[in-house]
Amino acid sequence: DTGVSQDPRHKITKRGQNVTFRCDPISEHNRLYWYRQTLGQGPEFLTYFQNEAQLEKSRLLSDRFSAERPKGSFSTLEIQRTEQGDSAMYLCASRWDRQETQYFGPGTRLLVL
Amino acid sequence: GQQVMQIPQYQHVQEGEDFTTYCNSSTTLSNIQWYKQRPGGHPVFLIQLVKSGEVKKQKRLTFQFGEAKKNSSLHITATQTTDVGTYFCAGDSETSYDKVIFGPGTSLSVIP
Repeated sequence: DTGVSQDPRHKITKRGQNVTFRCDPISEHNRLYWYRQTLGQGPEFLTYFQNEAQLEKSRLLSDRFSAERPKGSFSTLEIQRTEQGDSAMYLCASRWDRQETQYFGPGTRLLVL
Repeated sequence: GQQVMQIPQYQHVQEGEDFTTYCNSSTTLSNIQWYKQRPGGHPVFLIQLVKSGEVKKQKRLTFQFGEAKKNSSLHITATQTTDVGTYFCAGDSETSYDKVIFGPGTSLSVIP
């Protein structure tokens, strides 16, 4: 148990629906990362927060994706108007400092039908 | 943009044989991290290397960071079935603010 939790663990939705995922990082970690991982690939960086500030977003993150970390603790990732290509594992990770260990949560597996 | 590559993509070994995976970055890294992911699981941190030329060992695993801080390797001696999984390298770019880039991974199968 790494201490990073994600909810839900699995989500099945129909194309066009909106979905929201939650990540609770390890409590003392101020850096939080979202990744997307498809089968047979490594995690792809989506976005990064330092406390409540979203400091970097990948070009992979289209306008349908939005992430928040309102109080610098938990974070949410919302996907609007889901497409079948959004089907993937969405991973959250946190760490205290740039040179420190990054801990991953169990992920949310999304299937868009 | 920055790319991290790994070879081989797949490796099948007989139990007891050695295994090595190589990681190369298109840009200089401030550090290199290695993760292991079991099928159906999430990446689990193994180790981080920071210094040029650094070598670290964890039991049967040996990790090395290149002198130019652009490549790394993971070597497993005498593989066991518990070593099965995908091994990812990942690095913090020295130029991109706190962005961690993962390699595509090397999937290791161990035949008993």
